[in-house]
Amino acid sequence: GENVEQHPSTLSVQEGDSAVIKCTYSDSASNYFPWYKQELGKRPQLIIDIRSNVGEKKDQRIAVTLNKTAKHFSLHITETQPEDSAVYFCAATPYGNNRLAFGKGNQVVVIP
Amino acid sequence: NAGVTQTPKFQVLKTGQSMTLQCAQDMNHEYMSWYRQDPGMGLRLIHYSVGAGITDQGEVPNGYNVSRSTTEDFPLRLLSAAPSQTSVYFCASSLGGSGSGNTIYFGEGSWLTVV
Repeated sequence: GENVEQHPSTLSVQEGDSAVIKCTYSDSASNYFPWYKQELGKRPQLIIDIRSNVGEKKDQRIAVTLNKTAKHFSLHITETQPEDSAVYFCAATPYGNNRLAFGKGNQVVVIP
Repeated sequence: NAGVTQTPKFQVLKTGQSMTLQCAQDMNHEYMSWYRQDPGMGLRLIHYSVGAGITDQGEVPNGYNVSRSTTEDFPLRLLSAAPSQTSVYFCASSLGGSGSGNTIYFGEGSWLTVV
């Protein structure tokens, strides 16, 4: 099955700086890559996703890039704010597969 | 819409006891699933269902049973609780399969402690 790895485990950034989280996946058939944000004690919520036919997708301060050749995708958060502090999970799944495989999560801490 | 509703939110069980975590969704989603979340382990799929009457195992199914008699409900049963099942459990649903790019919506979570 699909194996997704996230690095680094914890990322501290100064408010206003950018944060980048990278994930690698193992199954070359994977074609859907969502990112979820989870605040302490809350449920995971989708913040952005990308399909394999697109190299980059942007939504305001958040962007995701995909490199299919290297089998990695990254979350970019620009102009970080304290409310961006959370755990971020990446995930991947092949088309037609109902098993979304999650990474172990990255703790992002935005320092005011 | 209430979305995905899980009960109970908190539960303490003794080793060997059984219990059922309830999950209901009102979005007419065909796909439902259960995940467990442990510190440093991310979200791991326990069981999932692609429609009423159809269930399948995920990554960590041992010790858990599920059934899907209606589109709305997908209960998770622990037959004989073990301390290793202490975790946060999330029910989730989506209109279609994740492989087709369908957004997964999570419930608020159920905190289970087995002593």
